[in-house]
Amino acid sequence: YELTQPLSVSVALGQTARITCGGNSIGGKNVHWYQQKPGQAPFLVIYRDRNRPSGIPERFSGSNSGNTATLTISRAQAGDEADYYCQVWDSSTVVFGGGTKVTVL
Amino acid sequence: QVQLVESGGGVVQPGRSLRLSCAASGFTFSRYAMHWVRQAPGKGLEWVTFISYDGNNKYYADSVQGRFTISRDNSKSTLYLQMNSLRPEDTAVYYCARDGAGEYYFESWGQGTLVTVSS
Repeated sequence: YELTQPLSVSVALGQTARITCGGNSIGGKNVHWYQQKPGQAPFLVIYRDRNRPSGIPERFSGSNSGNTATLTISRAQAGDEADYYCQVWDSSTVVFGGGTKVTVL
Repeated sequence: QVQLVESGGGVVQPGRSLRLSCAASGFTFSRYAMHWVRQAPGKGLEWVTFISYDGNNKYYADSVQGRFTISRDNSKSTLYLQMNSLRPEDTAVYYCARDGAGEYYFESWGQGTLVTVSS
């Protein structure tokens, strides 16, 4: 099973960034998203398609349907610059997308 | 709060072995499944292996199947990764991570330990 993410996404400060994660019938799976800044461990920002762990701002939201899951970052801030990874569980294996570098302009 | 601290990384020659540890605190370790995830320098995340809360179920990525072994000691709140027959392509930061509610995602992460396989 493969997950496809764009290599990079750019967003103007205060605007909305959308990061896609493509996979065959991914809408039938639970998708999870992680943020990773340089030199740091990743951490969970969205689980089970659209749920935010405690402490994650409401600006982060998720959706999943058909062949595409999407992480949306509203009112983007400079601190949102990072790599973002989607992830699913399939056939007793964890699968990660290749990661998307988000740049806030 | 949840704390995961990896140790045991270092430089090792190809073909040799290494054992990583992950000390857990701040939660009841024996109630949670755990994972190891790695990240090669400048690359993305790669899942390595999973172990259920009681150690009875284990899964491995194809890339490490037969070479790596995951285990846990619930009495010591510690997770292990025994890595044998190491290859240069195993060079990475290795993270331990707590599973989220039995649903195979990573709720909490350690800070990672670097393994370098080189002659």
